[in-house]
Amino acid sequence: KQEVTQIPAALSVPEGENLVLNCSFTDSAIYNLQWFRQDPGKGLTSLLLIQSSQREQTSGRLNASLDKSSGRSTLYIAASQPGDSATYLCAVMITDSWGKLQFGAGTQVVVTP
Amino acid sequence: EAQVTQNPRYLITVTGKKLTVTCSQNMNHEYMSWYRQDPGLGLRQIYYSMNVEVTDKGDVPEGYKVSRKEKRNFPLILESPSPNQTSLYFCASSLAGYQPQHFGDGTRLSIL
Repeated sequence: KQEVTQIPAALSVPEGENLVLNCSFTDSAIYNLQWFRQDPGKGLTSLLLIQSSQREQTSGRLNASLDKSSGRSTLYIAASQPGDSATYLCAVMITDSWGKLQFGAGTQVVVTP
Repeated sequence: EAQVTQNPRYLITVTGKKLTVTCSQNMNHEYMSWYRQDPGLGLRQIYYSMNVEVTDKGDVPEGYKVSRKEKRNFPLILESPSPNQTSLYFCASSLAGYQPQHFGDGTRLSIL
């Protein structure tokens, strides 16, 4: 069974510092990996989706990398801002279960002014 | 505005009283899914639907039913709710199963 792990569970950084969030998964047979943001009391917002054939995806200050062979993805957020404070979750879709998503528990990020 | 709408947003009810949480999307998405989120357990998938009349079990389908009679709606049915179904529920949709998912704002259910 696919296990998705996000470490650390919580992170606090001063404004302007770069954020590095980690996601690891046990089964490398994935179709894609998504990064989401969740604000308190809200649903999830999709940030980036990386297909299994891709190594990275970029959107503005966000960059996500994928290393299938080592079972890892990293989300980089450059020059963090207080508005980046949220919980970040990763989720993988495995190839033999199209449509099923396995989520990590998330990393709660606080960016202090 | 493109959105996924869940109703109700909050519900307190009692054990055994059938309830339905509705989910509707206005983006003509083929894929829809239900999740529950619990402290310490994270988000777990309940059921998903790749298209009309096609539904499949996620990781925690026990105690839940779904139907997909039309593309825009994907209701979650609890025939006989129990306290262990107290949770925060999210509906999501995407153009296809492998595309980014759009989430609703959630439904907080309390079963007493």
